[in-house]
Amino acid sequence: EVQLLESGGGLVQPGGSLRLSCVASGFPVYNSPMTWVRQTPGKGLEWVSLIYGGHDNTYYADSVRGRFTISRDTSTNTLYLEMNSLRAEDTALYYCAKEHRTGYGSYEYWGQGTLVTVSS
Amino acid sequence: QSALTQPLSASGSPGQSVTISCIGSSSDIGAYNFVSWYQQHPGKAPKLIIYGVSSRPSGVPDRFFGSKSANTASLTVSGLQAEDEADYYCNSYAGSNTVVFGGGTKLTVL
Repeated sequence: EVQLLESGGGLVQPGGSLRLSCVASGFPVYNSPMTWVRQTPGKGLEWVSLIYGGHDNTYYADSVRGRFTISRDTSTNTLYLEMNSLRAEDTALYYCAKEHRTGYGSYEYWGQGTLVTVSS
Repeated sequence: QSALTQPLSASGSPGQSVTISCIGSSSDIGAYNFVSWYQQHPGKAPKLIIYGVSSRPSGVPDRFFGSKSANTASLTVSGLQAEDEADYYCNSYAGSNTVVFGGGTKLTVL
């Protein structure tokens, strides 16, 4: 059974950093495209970042490029999102997601989310 | 990476049908047959109900129907039931390994 469990969220000041984790079970993260999606009350769902492929190809939304870094650890089967230079607008519930076999943005499995609040 | 446009709300009575639109552009919906729809109940993670424009994952009732015409995708829910009341989101592949979501539609079953 596929399961995703996020952690690492919390309250951080503007300009601060946070690292989110997503522990996966039921499948190997190295063999699957993995994505971070965030959700805010005002803006709904927003695609944040994707990692896939044997060479860990990474992709980012314009809003986070240069500040966020996605990575994965095959030894612990964990997906990460390193977030730096955080802004108030990064406040959101962050989900990790695994695509359906057909890929291309069809997210079949989601974690429960971890809340990030950026505020002074 | 502009968001797709969805109506803020939609409604229908039990047993009726309702259609939710998702308007994109020639760079996303119009360019690819990779539109997905998600249902989200309060406090829960989104649930995939349509992928590849019109395919349903196992276990999703055939009351949910997806379609696409040019730059607009649509989700039709027929035979509305109380449990269909939820937020619905569309997304589309937008090229260069990026994805764009719609702003979401709150479906109310009257």
